[in-house]
Amino acid sequence: NAGVTQTPKFQVLKTGQSMTLQCAQDMNHEYMSWYRQDPGMGLRLIHYSVGAGITDQGEVPNGYNVSRSTTEDFPLRLLSAAPSQTSVYFCASRPGLSLYEQYFGPGTRLTVT
Amino acid sequence: RKEVEQDPGPFNVPEGATVAFNCTYSNSASQSFFWYRQDCRKEPKLLMSVYSSGNEDGRFTAQLNRASQYISLLIRDSKLSDSATYLCVVTPQGAGNMLTFGGGTRLMVKP
Repeated sequence: NAGVTQTPKFQVLKTGQSMTLQCAQDMNHEYMSWYRQDPGMGLRLIHYSVGAGITDQGEVPNGYNVSRSTTEDFPLRLLSAAPSQTSVYFCASRPGLSLYEQYFGPGTRLTVT
Repeated sequence: RKEVEQDPGPFNVPEGATVAFNCTYSNSASQSFFWYRQDCRKEPKLLMSVYSSGNEDGRFTAQLNRASQYISLLIRDSKLSDSATYLCVVTPQGAGNMLTFGGGTRLMVKP
């Protein structure tokens, strides 16, 4: 199993550009989520999904969209990048809502200039 | 006040030392508790769950104190490979089973 994969590993964007961060998992996990990690802030939940076709907002959803058309894929779209979105983004999955061991992807380091 | 608070450190300890971290949480109805480990520039990984009765996994011991709303992690006989950031994770009641992460405590084990 590849586990949770993310692409790209690094990205530099200019303010106002849009892009999609890709996330895929091959463990047939129902629950997937996106976090951002900033120094001293811990990981903060952006959006999550409890299954294909179902998504919901987390703690810091503004400026981001998600979709979940399949169990495997959970892309995160930045609509119009801002310098405040410079961060490390982690995708994660876990087998179900009440199973809390979460598997993280390797992260995407995004810089917005 | 943050929901989950940790001393960011760094804790600098010699090999073989015993070190302990605490983590406090604000929601008294929190239900589940975990420690994750994150190596530099890597993703977090589950280290251990924290049970009400306390639990041990090799050199690592986790404790929960619900009355004072904190969890602790004790590492005995520290190894160089224990150098990492340790993240405290809590599931607040009514939060849709979301995981809430603390900011992490950095541990550096020196030779």
